[in-house]
Amino acid sequence: QKEVEQDPGPLSVPEGAIVSLNCTYSNSAFQYFMWYRQYSRKGPELLMYTYSSGNKEDGRFTAQVDKSSKYISLFIRDSQPSDSATYLCAMGPKGGGADGLTFGKGTHLIIQP
Amino acid sequence: EAQVTQNPRYLITVTGKKLTVTCSQNMNHEYMSWYRQDPGLGLRQIYYSMNVEVTDKGDVPEGYKVSRKEKRNFPLILESPSPNQTSLYFCASSLSPHGVGPRTGELFFGEGSRLTVL
Repeated sequence: QKEVEQDPGPLSVPEGAIVSLNCTYSNSAFQYFMWYRQYSRKGPELLMYTYSSGNKEDGRFTAQVDKSSKYISLFIRDSQPSDSATYLCAMGPKGGGADGLTFGKGTHLIIQP
Repeated sequence: EAQVTQNPRYLITVTGKKLTVTCSQNMNHEYMSWYRQDPGLGLRQIYYSMNVEVTDKGDVPEGYKVSRKEKRNFPLILESPSPNQTSLYFCASSLSPHGVGPRTGELFFGEGSRLTVL
């Protein structure tokens, strides 16, 4: 079983829909969780950063962590064509540093105008 | 502007011809890392560096070398490239490998270097 599982998609939804992106993981040592967004022909960039369980909201984006189920989610409200990108989850052990960061394979999201 | 700069962005080469992909960051970051990204396989770490003169293997180090003589630079060297090294390569840097505060684990990525080995 891989450490981090993420559905590669593509996931295609109409503009304005609520999008749910998910990752599951197996390593109980993971304590902090990130979502990166990668546009075509660009490097990934950090979108959301959460430490421990619970929700974190930033504009139209909400990151949710359920450590008991080893499940994290990213919700996008009022999705826009500009949200079309690949979304990678990432997680790391206690400390929050870059060492030991593990990435999911990414979900390709397409928002149809 | 804070950035990670990779060169070249695109390269087509032939088997066995040594090449170097340069990476430079202007954020005084301690941690730097190289990844390759392949369809269906995601991002895989090649090598990383905790600080100057400190480097270590990632998940897929075979066929690659790195060096970290200065804090800002972390070149990736392919001594004898082979077709299975055709990939999209990303350099990334982070303030600290160990996490000394919120978001210190954030990785800043370069724009990528697309390498084709014939």
